[in-house]
Amino acid sequence: EDKVVQSPLSLVVHEGDTVTLNCSYEVTNFRSLLWYKQEKKAPTFLFMLTSSGIEKKSGRLSSILDKKELFSILNITATQTGDSAVYLCAGSHITGNQFYFGTGTSLTVIP
Amino acid sequence: KAGVTQTPRYLIKTRGQQVTLSCSPISGHRSVSWYQQTPGQGLQFLFEYFSETQRNKGNFPGRFSGRQFSNSRSEMNVSTLELGDSALYLCASSPTGQKVPGELFFGEGSRLTVL
Repeated sequence: EDKVVQSPLSLVVHEGDTVTLNCSYEVTNFRSLLWYKQEKKAPTFLFMLTSSGIEKKSGRLSSILDKKELFSILNITATQTGDSAVYLCAGSHITGNQFYFGTGTSLTVIP
Repeated sequence: KAGVTQTPRYLIKTRGQQVTLSCSPISGHRSVSWYQQTPGQGLQFLFEYFSETQRNKGNFPGRFSGRQFSNSRSEMNVSTLELGDSALYLCASSPTGQKVPGELFFGEGSRLTVL
């Protein structure tokens, strides 16, 4: 059964802290892994990872994929209150756009 | 460029009724997917349409159905509603082609409450 598991389920940090969110996956004929940020609305796209070992960065956020160990991490440095959200990761098959989502990590950043 | 538009945004139905939700993808996107989001299960894949053809289908009962029109707009229908169908239904469009991976762009969702 294809599945994606995220950890931790939730965490609370102070502004300025660095956090690492984990995502492990078991997806048959895996093609890509996506990270999303969801506040009280639609998920917004962060990263798409298809190759192992290549870090993607966007400002204070970065992510990397390990296709041998079947996991990805999302790092957020110098956290801000605006980073408070649920972070979702999803893995896809090689065909089509069927994504398997994890249940998310709820991040709360305290001022 | 307009984003993914879903209608209606909120609706309340009673058990046994049926509902139709609509989704207009981003212009030029031919892939439209539907997801059900609930607090306990997270986002679960319903189905994906590409060029009016259902390309993938998740593990949902036959009460859940969908279609895509020639302009890429999509509808999903849930018949004989059950209390457990209460959820946020998210539509996502993607610029992906047949073999190129593409990210999903989500609409704001349709929140369905079944009483």
